Amino acid sequence: KNEVEQSPQNLTAQEGEFITINCSYSVGISALHWLQQHPGGGIVSLFMLSSGKKKHGRLIATINIQEKHSSLHITASHPRDSAVYICAVNLDGGAQKLVFGQGTRLTINP
Amino acid sequence: NAGVTQTPKFQVLKTGQSMTLQCAQDMNHNSMYWYRQDPGMGLRLIYYSASEGTTDKGEVPNGYNVSRLNKREFSLRLESAAPSQTSVYFCASSELAMNTEAFFGQGTRLTVV
Repeated sequence: KNEVEQSPQNLTAQEGEFITINCSYSVGISALHWLQQHPGGGIVSLFMLSSGKKKHGRLIATINIQEKHSSLHITASHPRDSAVYICAVNLDGGAQKLVFGQGTRLTINP
Repeated sequence: NAGVTQTPKFQVLKTGQSMTLQCAQDMNHNSMYWYRQDPGMGLRLIYYSASEGTTDKGEVPNGYNVSRLNKREFSLRLESAAPSQTSVYFCASSELAMNTEAFFGQGTRLTVV
């Protein structure tokens, strides 16, 4: 079983819809990252959080440490949001490594 | 504002050939990483360097070697390429010990024929 599980693996929605991508992890962490990868493109960091909630434009990320769960929300989705969204965690205990989920492929149709 | 620069962007190798992927960061990060990304799988750690002068194996180190040349540069070498090493390779840097975000290079698409 992967230490970081994302759901859904694929998501197709219409422009304007509210999107939620989930990430669950089974290990102790010091922080969780949400990353975005456009087709054929590089990987960019969207959020890093260790508690609570962060918002950047139409993107919102939340984390519940007790439940070992995080969500990434996109409000008023747009075709340019189409990308792979990746959840990754910093392992607790000083290990300086990220452990990645398999990614969620999001497609927003106009 | 270069961030993490990775070269080359594309490469085709014949089985048995060698090559080195170069990575440099200008953010004064201590930690640098090499990952591979394969269809249907998440990013997997090949090697990492927590600080200048140290390197450690990740999840999938076989067939690779690394050199942390200085604080800025971390290279990945394939001594004898195999088709199983066909993948997209990403270099990253961070100060994960301080819970800061990670920065990634643009990726190298490597095909071994």
